[in-house]
Amino acid sequence: DADVTQTPRNRITKTGKRIMLECSQTKGHDRMYWYRQDPGLGLRLIYYSFDVKDINKGEISDGYSVSRQAQAKFSLSLESAIPNQTALYFCATSTASNYGYTFGSGTRLTVV
Amino acid sequence: AQSVTQLDSHVSVSEGTPVLLRCNYSSSYSPSLFWYVQHPNKGLQLLLKYTSAATLVKGINGFEAEFKKSETSFHLTKPSAHMSDAAEYFCVVSDQLTSNTGKLIFGQGTTLQVKP
Repeated sequence: DADVTQTPRNRITKTGKRIMLECSQTKGHDRMYWYRQDPGLGLRLIYYSFDVKDINKGEISDGYSVSRQAQAKFSLSLESAIPNQTALYFCATSTASNYGYTFGSGTRLTVV
Repeated sequence: AQSVTQLDSHVSVSEGTPVLLRCNYSSSYSPSLFWYVQHPNKGLQLLLKYTSAATLVKGINGFEAEFKKSETSFHLTKPSAHMSDAAEYFCVVSDQLTSNTGKLIFGQGTTLQVKP
């Protein structure tokens, strides 16, 4: 089993719909992150969490929300999806020292 | 603020020839630097990382990178390209020392094409 598991792998949704992307990890890491990848822009940080009670906005958090249900689970929600949220989304975990990043396989989201 | 710039968006080499992917960084502190690779329809895999130890860092699959503070560079090299090296490569800096968020700051990516 993968250390960081993202579900679903692919999703097509309609404009205005609510959608949740899920991430779970078996690494035992405290820190979890959500990034989105767009062609030519690399990856940009949406939200990050240091533990269950610590949630922080990243550089592009507008239109997104997150929930840290447990140390091992970190979900990303789009309350009302719009086409420019079409992207590849990655969940990642790290140790406190920040030298042990692990990425999930990504969720490809298309908003039509 | 920390940043990275990948100087080439696309690099094309022939199989068996050397690979050079260029990365410059900007940082007020001694940075932590990484190279990640992303194969088509796959996730991100760590190739190597520099964390203020030896300036020449060896990674997986024959890749290595040299940290040059005077040039603020962290170029990725491989002596001989394989077809399986065709992928997108990201140079990344961590902001651990400046803000302790653990945030990774990604370059725009370089697509490596390997021709037979």
